[in-house]
Amino acid sequence: SQQGEEDPQALSIQEGENATMNCSYKTSINNLQWYRQNSGRGLVHLILIRSNEREKHSGRLRVTLDTSKKSSSLLITASRAADTASYFCATVWSGAGSYQLTFGKGTKLSVIP
Amino acid sequence: EAQVTQNPRYLITVTGKKLTVTCSQNMNHEYMSWYRQDPGLGLRQIYYSMNVEVTDKGDVPEGYKVSRKEKRNFPLILESPSPNQTSLYFCASRGLLYEQYFGPGTRLTVT
Repeated sequence: SQQGEEDPQALSIQEGENATMNCSYKTSINNLQWYRQNSGRGLVHLILIRSNEREKHSGRLRVTLDTSKKSSSLLITASRAADTASYFCATVWSGAGSYQLTFGKGTKLSVIP
Repeated sequence: EAQVTQNPRYLITVTGKKLTVTCSQNMNHEYMSWYRQDPGLGLRQIYYSMNVEVTDKGDVPEGYKVSRKEKRNFPLILESPSPNQTSLYFCASRGLLYEQYFGPGTRLTVT
């Protein structure tokens, strides 16, 4: 079942600008992950933020998590044409021997050279 | 190199002709899963496996079978494919922090 919902569905920016994508979810989570998918290819794991973290950085990526609002954002700074891809958030819940990972439908980012 | 491999990458077949998509990972991961990706529907989990000989249904298991006889392999079987199974399929294995490692995908067309 789908839990994460990305916003916007599509985003077009100029090279060098920052890109911000948002993800909202509905239930409790253990962590939230962001993935990138180039057209027709497999998803690549970008970054993971745990439920007790508020912000995390990895290179040009910055992820925030607000568990009170059940939302996360992914910021890509100084975007490049090579960042053109779809970006998905995925929420993870695990406990009592159970585990659930659910992907959103993604944000399609186009970076114009 | 740590990776998940899938074969074939592209497959065109006819309704009812049994097929198998292979998946293999070299990271010694216990958990593996299969997804299908369709426009407007996102990624949906078909089956998953917590470990060898342990498999369970995901969100859309109808029309699919899986087996997990070895830790590294997790084939997806379509006993009698139908056109509504035309899709892009991904195998994935799971790391220690529940991050997913995806294969390159198999684009299946059933006519």
